[in-house]
This record gives sequence, C-alpha cells and structure tokens, in this order.
Amino acid sequence: KNQVEQSPQSLIILEGKNCTLQCNYTVSPFSNLRWYKQDTGRGPVSLTIMTFSENTKSNGRYTATLDADTKQSSLHITASQLSDSASYICVVKDRGSTLGRLYFGRGTQLTVWP
Amino acid sequence: EADIYQTPRYLVIGTGKKITLECSQTMGHDKMYWYQQDPGMELHLIHYSYGVNSTEKGDLSSESTVSRIRTEHFPLTLESARPSHTSQYLCASSERGLAGVSSYNEQFFGPGTRLTVL
Repeated sequence: KNQVEQSPQSLIILEGKNCTLQCNYTVSPFSNLRWYKQDTGRGPVSLTIMTFSENTKSNGRYTATLDADTKQSSLHITASQLSDSASYICVVKDRGSTLGRLYFGRGTQLTVWP
Repeated sequence: EADIYQTPRYLVIGTGKKITLECSQTMGHDKMYWYQQDPGMELHLIHYSYGVNSTEKGDLSSESTVSRIRTEHFPLTLESARPSHTSQYLCASSERGLAGVSSYNEQFFGPGTRLTVL
C-alpha cells in the first residue's frame, strides 16, 4: 500500500533555531517527492521538488534531502523565523499513471516561538 | 503566488442547501483537482479532470459533483449539504504530463474554501 508517514506530528522551536522534519514513504514506482508549506487556512505552497536522481535541494533556508534507496526524505530549516510557523507536508508522486497520483503525508505542525 | 482562485473562502450554511464552490485558474493548465482536508489530516483527492468535458472521481468517495466546461473553470457542487460535508476544500491545477515519465508536473493549489454545514 502506498503511504507517506511524517514525523514528528508537531514541533515547537524557538526563533533562530534549526529543525529537521522527517518523511518516510512506500510509494512505488517513484516519480518525485515534494515538500509543501501550508499556512493555517491556506492552500499548500511548494518548497522543493526532487526526482529520483536528486539527493538534495535548497530553497533559501529550506534544504530537502532524499534517499531513494531507503525511501526517506528530510526537510531542514535553518535560522527559523516566526513566519515559518505552518504545517509542512511531504508529498510523493507515483510514476505509474497518466494522472501522476500524489500521496500526501499528514504534515508536521511547526510552531516557532519568539 | 499561483494564479488559481477559489470562492468563497468561507461558507457557513444550513443542512439541505445546494452549494457550488468555485475554482478558476489562469495558467492554461489541462489538469485540475479537488481535494478535501480535515484538520490535522492528509489531503484526499475527491475529483479530477484531464481537460474540458473530462471528470473522474478520486480516491475518497464524495457526494459532490464537478463539471469542466471551460479549461479555466472547475466548480464543485453539493446538491444537499449535510454536517458531514464540513471540511476544507482545496482546488489545484497542473500541466498535462506523459505517463511513465518522471517529471515535476507541479500542482498549484488555491487558497481553499472552508465549508461549515450546520
């Protein structure tokens, strides 16, 4: 069964600190993995997208890694800011259909305190 | 910011009412999607469309219906709303990709409609 599991479920950190969010998936055949940021009451916004051959990708203070062998990904946030408070969702796309089905994790709810 | 719009942003209605959630995109994307999301839970695909006059049901069974008469417009309708329909509804769009080809085909999401049925 294709699944995406994220940990931790929630995380509280102080402003300026770093943090790492984890994503494990069983989706096969694999096409790509995306990290989205979703602010409360808003739609998800893409942070990074990685294909099978990409091990790491950065977007400003966000750095995502992918280990396609172990089917794990992480999202590292450096020097956190109050505006980083949001839900971070790991999404894996399969390669087996024209639709390109997306499998969503439940997200990690990050709260950054001043 | 993606050019995909949803209205209304918030809707509170009584049981039994007919409602239509609007979704429009100006990117010329062929594919459009409707997702349902409850608090703290993952997004579930309820409808999708490959293009004009093409609509399919998604993974999660839904009593809603959709139509795709124009490329840019993908409205969702509930004929008789019930409290169990209370949720956030997210619309998304993407370019058409090739089956079996690893490509981004990124989905762009609208801001969502928060529906509450009393």
